[in-house]
Amino acid sequence: DAGVIQSPRHEVTEMGQEVTLRCKPISGHNSLFWYRQTMMRGLELLIYFNNNVPIDDSGMPEDRFSAKMPNASFSTLKIQPSEPRDSAVYFCASSWTSVNEQFFGPGTRLTVL
Amino acid sequence: GQQLNQSPQSMFIQEGEDVSMNCTSSSIFNTWLWYKQDPGEGPVLLIALYKAGELTSNGRLTAQFGITRKDSFLNISASIPSDVGIYFCAGQKPQGGSEKLVFGKGTKLTVNP
Repeated sequence: DAGVIQSPRHEVTEMGQEVTLRCKPISGHNSLFWYRQTMMRGLELLIYFNNNVPIDDSGMPEDRFSAKMPNASFSTLKIQPSEPRDSAVYFCASSWTSVNEQFFGPGTRLTVL
Repeated sequence: GQQLNQSPQSMFIQEGEDVSMNCTSSSIFNTWLWYKQDPGEGPVLLIALYKAGELTSNGRLTAQFGITRKDSFLNISASIPSDVGIYFCAGQKPQGGSEKLVFGKGTKLTVNP
């Protein structure tokens, strides 16, 4: 079975550009999580969805960040406009609600110049 | 936000040696998870613990959920070169319905052949 799928794997963009990261959770999982990983701050939860509904977005850094989950098999994380300090690896993870085990995708390495 | 205190930050060992790392918190957790992350990849779940005092093994890996519910440790026996990577602990607090995980900063393991 396929695990969590993320695209693109690498993204290099210029400051001010819009960036869209994509995630396909494991089939049958009903919770989806977006994380950001940096050397300084480690793994930080940005937002999570349950049954396609955003439950907790307290980790979203600011209004430049937005996330959507239009259906059970797809989610996006958008940054507009992007800034150099947004450079990080962004992970998507999914789980089944009644089981706390989250499974991570391979991540998207974002570089904002 | 809440962080788990994970130690040591890094370890340099010889192949064949046993390894021990741990996580502590001032708060109670009702789930502890241990992940391993290889370079350029997402964290991979190794062991999940759900009950205070629980001791669980996965091959050469053994993890325990502390009796106080405020700590957990991971042991690796007879280390091999492919054990190299960053190991993360993660805990879920008993916050009525929240699926959020709190992650430690990681233990970077280097195994010398």
